[in-house]
Amino acid sequence: SAVISQKPSRDICQRGTSLTIQCQVDSQVTMMFWYRQQPGQSLTLIATANQGSEATYESGFVIDKFPISRPNLTFSTLTVSNMSPEDSSIYLCSAAGTDYNEQFFGPGTRLTVL
Amino acid sequence: AQSVTQLDSHVSVSEGTPVLLRCNYSSSYSPSLFWYVQHPNKGLQLLLKYTSAATLVKGINGFEAEFKKSETSFHLTKPSAHMSDAAEYFCVVPTGTASKLTFGTGTRLQVTL
Repeated sequence: SAVISQKPSRDICQRGTSLTIQCQVDSQVTMMFWYRQQPGQSLTLIATANQGSEATYESGFVIDKFPISRPNLTFSTLTVSNMSPEDSSIYLCSAAGTDYNEQFFGPGTRLTVL
Repeated sequence: AQSVTQLDSHVSVSEGTPVLLRCNYSSSYSPSLFWYVQHPNKGLQLLLKYTSAATLVKGINGFEAEFKKSETSFHLTKPSAHMSDAAEYFCVVPTGTASKLTFGTGTRLQVTL
């Protein structure tokens, strides 16, 4: 298994600003993922982040809005750019285990945009 | 494409009574399937997973799920609910070739005294 931490755990931001969320894994992993969980909703995959390559974004998510970095095998960041109240959500990162279908999740970052 | 449908958005049980959370899957083959739990203000935790080794899968905290191909179901059960089981439960299926997970809409389990 993998232990995943995220920073910040929560934040309140003004519209038009950007926030970078950090995700740290306690072991080296090949694949990391970023999800969004809007209030009262299920999780939606934003993008897959592999070290050494550009992130792969899901339909409805674009790099300009959600730039992702993956500088090494234990760390990734997600930036939420030019925020609006509609971006208020919980953002979670995950890492794939040795069984690539199994993922371990961080505690999430609760973002509120005013 | 693989997908899952959670049939109940909210389930309420009394403490000590059985729990049944329903999930149907859609797939052209026998997929892997997972149940995750999300306690309030906490991250997601894997409860159990089915990977075709055995149709009855036992997970943590007394939960189990049975894969029924004939019914395309993977319902989560527990013989006796505890107050600490109150949480959101997600049925999940891997999709595509890049280890992506597709989450069901979730079932909120409420446990009352």
